[in-house]
Amino acid sequence: GAGVSQSPSNKVTEKGKDVELRCDPISGHTALYWYRQRLGQGLEFLIYFQGNSAPDKSGLPSDRFSAERTGESVSTLTIQRTQQEDSAVYLCASSFPAGATYEQYFGPGTRLTVT
Amino acid sequence: AQKITQTQPGMFVQEKEAVTLDCTYDTSDPSYGLFWYKQPSSGEMIFLIYQGSYDQQNATEGRYSLNFQKARKSANLVISASQLGDSAMYFCAMRRSNFGNEKLTFGTGTRLTIIP
Repeated sequence: GAGVSQSPSNKVTEKGKDVELRCDPISGHTALYWYRQRLGQGLEFLIYFQGNSAPDKSGLPSDRFSAERTGESVSTLTIQRTQQEDSAVYLCASSFPAGATYEQYFGPGTRLTVT
Repeated sequence: AQKITQTQPGMFVQEKEAVTLDCTYDTSDPSYGLFWYKQPSSGEMIFLIYQGSYDQQNATEGRYSLNFQKARKSANLVISASQLGDSAMYFCAMRRSNFGNEKLTFGTGTRLTIIP
């Protein structure tokens, strides 16, 4: 079946511009997560959705970052007034609401470069 | 707060040998889950293996096994009979609860290179 998809795969933007990153989770996965991976580093948690609500936004680094999810499906991560330190790969993951491990399935990521 | 430590930034291993990737963790939660993910150069994160904190036996998935030592707070990944395709970044991660949908806390990763 289809996995997690993200778009765009690459985004180059000028400092100060706003960007929107999209995530389509696996059908039926009610949990959705956003992570950020800076070059050569591990993943940092940003935000978690259960359905359309976000019970954990603790990883959002500033109020320039926001995310929403609609229809218990697509999610959009928005970064306003981008800064160079926002350059990273943004990964989305989803997981099924039951099962033995609740492992997260990751998308291919969006590589964001802020010039 | 939870923390994952991976002390090996890089490892080189001869093909067909076994390899152990180290992972230690810190948490005050009595219930937690431990994961290993593989990230090839293409960038996708591939789930390898899971260990719950209450699981009595070490998890195994094919050539992957997790050496879980709860008292030492370690969760090392063992890959038997390494293959060239095992060359990748490997991340250890933990989740606060033994089950359910919770965020993952990742370590900084180990870059494994398999030498032919």
